[in-house]
Amino acid sequence: QVTLKESGPGILQPSQTLSLTCTFSGFSLNTYGMGVGWIRQSSGKGLEWLANIWWDDDKYYNPSLRNRLTISKDTSNNQAFLKITTVDTADPATYYCARIGRYSGRYFFDYWGQGVMVTVSS
Amino acid sequence: DIQMTQSPSSLPASLGERVTISCRASHDIFNNLNWYQQTPDGTIKPLIYYTSNLQSDVPSRFSGSGSGTDFSLTISSLEPEDFAMYYCQQDVTFPWTFGGGTKLEMK
Repeated sequence: QVTLKESGPGILQPSQTLSLTCTFSGFSLNTYGMGVGWIRQSSGKGLEWLANIWWDDDKYYNPSLRNRLTISKDTSNNQAFLKITTVDTADPATYYCARIGRYSGRYFFDYWGQGVMVTVSS
Repeated sequence: DIQMTQSPSSLPASLGERVTISCRASHDIFNNLNWYQQTPDGTIKPLIYYTSNLQSDVPSRFSGSGSGTDFSLTISSLEPEDFAMYYCQQDVTFPWTFGGGTKLEMK
């Protein structure tokens, strides 16, 4: 059974660094073709893809967040991480992590976490 | 970036009704289009990958079609649990992008 769960600080101040953890079970990021992605959703808005990391440590980022994002993984502990530097009023959202499965040679977010809310406030 | 546009943004419908949600890409994405459902509690469930392939445990009343720039998600006969938000997403090129969503609501 595949499960993912996000964790984070809940609230942080403007200009701080947001650190998020995705703890998963039921699969390994050492397995060929596997990946984990991060997606966020601002209140009342749609979904925004942020970053992906793959089994071979390949990484992709959303260029709209420029150089603020860093994605990483700890395969020994079945975790993936996302850091967002210099948070501001555009960053409060629910942050989701999702497994990327490989289907018919293409990739798809096939399992999602429940999401974690992040608030930015001084 | 490839822009994904969904229509309508809101769709009132009744139980048992057949509904179709559209998704248009700003560039040719071939068949690299996925669909997701988000329930009111925020839970996101994958529905369809690569245009028309149902994810496991997704009821057969859901179907997807299209290619190139125009795609659709059809629910053949609405059940109570189908009233939710629906999002399309392309994975042909980075950055992966989502449509703005369609809210399927009870009439």
